[in-house]
Amino acid sequence: DTGVSQNPRHKITKRGQNVTFRCDPISEHNRLYWYRQTLGQGPEFLTYFQNEAQLEKSRLLSDRFSAERPKGSFSTLEIQRTEQGDSAMYLCASSLVKDRAGFGELFFGEGSRLTVL
Amino acid sequence: GQSLEQPSEVTAVEGAIVQINCTYQTSGFYGLSWYQQHDGGAPTFLSYNGLDGLEETGRFSSFLSRSDSYGYLLLQELQMKDSASYFCALKAPDSGYALNFGKGTSLLVTP
Repeated sequence: DTGVSQNPRHKITKRGQNVTFRCDPISEHNRLYWYRQTLGQGPEFLTYFQNEAQLEKSRLLSDRFSAERPKGSFSTLEIQRTEQGDSAMYLCASSLVKDRAGFGELFFGEGSRLTVL
Repeated sequence: GQSLEQPSEVTAVEGAIVQINCTYQTSGFYGLSWYQQHDGGAPTFLSYNGLDGLEETGRFSSFLSRSDSYGYLLLQELQMKDSASYFCALKAPDSGYALNFGKGTSLLVTP
């Protein structure tokens, strides 16, 4: 399968613990995005990378969240000191975009569901 | 800032046609996209409008009017498998041209 893969698919953790999610994008895609989705809502943008550079981070994103994309391949999203409000589906997507404002279809992974107890 | 408005729920009968509207406000326009998401699944791309007019892809069509800040997704010959959530989405200059999604429209297709 050459789609976007994410793991773990499910994570249950206690409040205050750190968690890390991994995303492997489609190999030829230059952009990688992280979104968060809660029940009944649309995906909420968190951050994105162009190759290995993190180009944008949502202003609403807590500094407990950090993402990396070393070598422009896979990416990790870490949440430190988790809170119950962090419980959500964390979606990764990748795309191939030629210019910054240009169109690029997003290909989403199946997501990593986080439950914070 | 940017905002997207779409109905929260729509119900239609199998075989019918349904239109899901999306109105938006944005400081810069870089195209309107539509995504479909089945319960428990990943969002998947349906359609994109960069210019005014109608784009057709099989049973699905999408329309855009930039002057009215309005678009819609048209689903024809509805099938039970079309029951899903549908999201309109815009690129936002103030988020580095990342795609921002509306809250979604839950479509229920009934027999």
